[in-house]
Amino acid sequence: DADVTQTPRNRITKTGKRIMLECSQTKGHDRMYWYRQDPGLGLRLIYYSFDVKDINKGEISDGYSVSRQAQAKFSLSLESAIPNQTALYFCATSDLQGKGQETQYFGPGTRLLVL
Amino acid sequence: SQKIEQNSEALNIQEGKTATLTCNYTNYSPAYLQWYRQDPGRGPVFLLLIRENEKEKRKERLKVTFDTTLKQSLFHITASQPADSATYLCALDMSGATNKLIFGTGTLLAVQP
Repeated sequence: DADVTQTPRNRITKTGKRIMLECSQTKGHDRMYWYRQDPGLGLRLIYYSFDVKDINKGEISDGYSVSRQAQAKFSLSLESAIPNQTALYFCATSDLQGKGQETQYFGPGTRLLVL
Repeated sequence: SQKIEQNSEALNIQEGKTATLTCNYTNYSPAYLQWYRQDPGRGPVFLLLIRENEKEKRKERLKVTFDTTLKQSLFHITASQPADSATYLCALDMSGATNKLIFGTGTLLAVQP
């Protein structure tokens, strides 16, 4: 979805390096999410943010940190990358429409390889 | 813990037939369930949402059912086309936590011409 963009689209890094994945959205949504996707494990939530001042850990936040710079921007950092963080990373957004209407809009993904 | 199961094996069907994908869940009662489509190398795209008090939802050739007693959702694509080939993910809201989704691992559908 062109309304949600992620940079870079592909990244190769070495163990121990710090890297940042960026997400921007033009949908005007308050809520943003970071997921990783691994074969056989599906999408797993890393962090989520319901507004600029609200940051929450997901189910697999260890080794990651995030920054919500503005409503439209949500960055994911790997402080010291390790090989098992090799995965496909997705950013997503959603709008506050009340319970029962929570659909998410995903970016194109960042493919990360940690050597 | 919350668990979602989708057929891990690929589903192969002939063009024109109805594809039926299954999503089973355990250990909680979601308020709603969603289905997404994911093409290789791309992000998931929302298709349909069905609430706990709805039995069935339709959108064009797509139909979703939600049986809270069986803890199961079925996703149907009628008159399937090769362009329907993709991975289909089901997602449920996390118990006790609004606006967070837990995703199944997805089922790969291949429609043969």
